[in-house]
Amino acid sequence: NAGVTQTPKFQVLKTGQSMTLQCAQDMNHEYMSWYRQDPGMGLRLIHYSVGAGITDQGEVPNGYNVSRSTTEDFPLRLLSAAPSQTSVYFCASSPPGLAVFYEQYFGPGTRLTVT
Amino acid sequence: QKEVEQDPGPLSVPEGAIVSLNCTYSNSAFQYFMWYRQYSRKGPELLMYTYSSGNKEDGRFTAQVDKSSKYISLFIRDSQPSDSATYLCALGAQTGANNLFFGTGTRLTVIP
Repeated sequence: NAGVTQTPKFQVLKTGQSMTLQCAQDMNHEYMSWYRQDPGMGLRLIHYSVGAGITDQGEVPNGYNVSRSTTEDFPLRLLSAAPSQTSVYFCASSPPGLAVFYEQYFGPGTRLTVT
Repeated sequence: QKEVEQDPGPLSVPEGAIVSLNCTYSNSAFQYFMWYRQYSRKGPELLMYTYSSGNKEDGRFTAQVDKSSKYISLFIRDSQPSDSATYLCALGAQTGANNLFFGTGTRLTVIP
């Protein structure tokens, strides 16, 4: 199993540009989520999905959009990039049930810089 | 007030030392207590988790939860240079999928 994969690894955007961060998992996990990690802030939840066709907002959803058309994929879209979105983005997935609280598998991350 | 407080360090210890990493929290609803290890420029990986209170041991690692003090700890015995990483605590409450909070992480360096 490849686990959770993310592309690209690095990205530089100009203010106002849009892009999609890709995330895929091959563990047949229903629950997937997106976090951003900033110095001194810890991991903060952006959006999450409990299954195909079902998404919900996390702690910091503004400026981001998600959709979940398949179990495997959970892309994150930046609608109009802003310097405040410079961060490291992690995708994660969890087995079903209560494991969502204690067993998250993270991808390698995407380092995004917005100039 | 943050849900979880974690001393960012950095913490530097000689090889073989016992390391103690800690987090405090304020919400008594938390029931799941996790420790993740994150190597530089990598994603976090789950080290161990505890449900409710008490201790859990896995090799050189021991996790402790003191719910009365709202304090969790991770002890690393016989620390190795390969333990050099950032350690994140995470707490979860069974009140919704959004109720999972991470500490800011403590950066640990084990010197050979």
